[in-house]
Order: sequence, then C-alpha cells, then structure tokens
Amino acid sequence: NAGVTQTPKFRILKIGQSMTLQCTQDMNHNYMYWYRQDPGMGLKLIYYSVGAGITDKGEVPNGYNVSRSTTEDFPLRLELAAPSQTSVYFCASSKNLAGAAYEQYFGPGTRLTVT
Amino acid sequence: AQSVTQLGSHVSVSEGALVLLRCNYSSSVPPYLFWYVQYPNQGLQLLLKYTSAATLVKGINGFEAEFKKSETSFHLTKPSAHMSDAAEYFCAVGLSGYKLSFGAGTTVTVRA
Repeated sequence: NAGVTQTPKFRILKIGQSMTLQCTQDMNHNYMYWYRQDPGMGLKLIYYSVGAGITDKGEVPNGYNVSRSTTEDFPLRLELAAPSQTSVYFCASSKNLAGAAYEQYFGPGTRLTVT
Repeated sequence: AQSVTQLGSHVSVSEGALVLLRCNYSSSVPPYLFWYVQYPNQGLQLLLKYTSAATLVKGINGFEAEFKKSETSFHLTKPSAHMSDAAEYFCAVGLSGYKLSFGAGTTVTVRA
C-alpha cells in the first residue's frame, strides 16, 4: 500500500491565484482530514470528512473548500490565495472503527508559499 | 473544550540520556490521548496511544507514556536517547467525531 499520497510536494502561488491540493489514500479509510502546520502552532484542522459525500468544517476553514466524491480522494481547494495561507498542508486518514478512528495516517505534506 | 498543552518547545539531550517530554490535557471526561512523531520533512506517525486500558503505555522505538489522572498529564519518556530520536513530537487529544486536537509540538535535539 502507498498509504496517503499528496501532490504536489511544493508550490509557489501568487496572491489571488487558485489551486487544488490533491490527497489520495489506498487503505479504504472512511475518515479523511486536512491540516495546516505553522511553526510553533502545531496542526490545525481545516476540513474533515467521514465518508464520500460528507464533509465538515474544522477549526480554520476560511479560504478553503473541499469535496469528497470517492472514498479514496479528498482534494483541498484554495480559491484566492493569500499570504496567510503560506503553510505546510497535511492530509490524513483513519479507519471507521471505534478507538482506531483516532489513529490517523498522514501524507508527506505539501509546502505552499503565497507571495 | 478538550485540549493539550506541551511544556517546552525545544528539548536538547545527550545521546544515552533520558528523554522527557511533557504534556498536560484538559478534559472533563476520560480522554483518548496520543503522541505523534514527525521526522524532518515527513508527515506525522503515531508513536503511542492511551485509551483507558492501562495507565502505562508502550509505543514504538522504546518510548512510553504514563497517564496520570490526578495530574492531568501524559508525559512521554525514553530511557536512553538515540541520534535517530531527533524529531518533533506532538501530544494530541481525541475530540468528538474522531478529530484530534494537537499541542504546539516539542522539538528534540540529540547531542553526540
């Protein structure tokens, strides 16, 4: 299994541009998550999904959108990039199983710079 | 709301010395608690978890953590540090809906 894969690894955007961060998992996990990681701040949850067709906001959803049309894919969309969205973005997934649902598997991350 | 606080953003230890990383949680009910590790330029991976079965939890790579309800703590330890332990460590608490709330992280440096 490849686990959780994210593309691209790095990206530089100009202010106002849009882009989609891709996330795919091959573990048949129902739950998927998007986080952003800023220095000294830990990870903040942007959006999450408990299954195909179901998404919900996390702690810091403003400026982002998500969709979940399949179990495997959970793309994150930035519509109008702003410098405040410069960060490292991580996608994660977990099983739909009591207790084990908290054991999240993380992708390698996407480092985004907005200038 | 449930949350965790990690004491100390940086810890420096000598190779072979004890590693102690501190985490305190706030929760009105018995929590699910976790330690994750992030090696440079990688995603996070689960180190160990507490789910109320036992107060002393053993994880991978020789790490363990002890849940102390009276102190609302879940500190991570390793008796003897290795160079490969250099990483950032995150404490996390489980929230409703199978979400996690992470602490700010502690970076561990190991001196030869």
